[in-house]
Amino acid sequence: EVQLVESGGGLVQPGRSLKLSCAASGFTFSNYYMAWVRQAPKKGLEWVATISTSGSRTYYPDSVKGRFTISRDNAKSSLYLQMNSLKSEDTATYYCARQVAGSYFDYWGQGVMVTVSS
Amino acid sequence: DIQMTQTPSSMPASLGERVTISCRASQGISNYLNWYQQKPDGTIKPLIYYTSNLQSGVPSRFSGSGSGTDYSLTISSLEPEDFAMYYCQQYDSSPWTFGGGTKLELK
Repeated sequence: EVQLVESGGGLVQPGRSLKLSCAASGFTFSNYYMAWVRQAPKKGLEWVATISTSGSRTYYPDSVKGRFTISRDNAKSSLYLQMNSLKSEDTATYYCARQVAGSYFDYWGQGVMVTVSS
Repeated sequence: DIQMTQTPSSMPASLGERVTISCRASQGISNYLNWYQQKPDGTIKPLIYYTSNLQSGVPSRFSGSGSGTDYSLTISSLEPEDFAMYYCQQYDSSPWTFGGGTKLELK
């Protein structure tokens, strides 16, 4: 059974940093693109970052480019999201998702909440 | 960026009813369109990929269609577990974008 379990969320002040982790199991992690998708309170879904199977290619929307960094450790079947210079508008539930070769997200974690507030 | 507009934003419906949710892209997306369901507890499940392909395990009462800029998700006969949020998502070009969502509510 595919499982994605996020961790590392919490309350952080504006301008500070936070790193999210996602532990994957139930599939060959190194064979899949992985992604982060977020959802602000009472809002819709927003794609945040994607990483290729080897980690050599990463993709971001303009809203987080230069502030967020996605990475992976295939030996540990783990995905990460380093978030720097956090803003109040980054407050959201962050979901780890398996992405089928840059197309659709076929498995999602339960999400982890990040609150950016002073 | 490609904007995805879903209509309606909310839809009251009854058990057994047939419903259709629409999704319009700001430009043609060549059928690169997916649908997801989100339950009140936050759980997100893929339903349909590439416009009309049912994800494994998804009941056959769900179907998708469309082309160009206009796409739709149809549920042929609503079951209790179908009352949830639904999102479309395009992957024709980055940034991959989602529609604003449709809340399917019990009438």
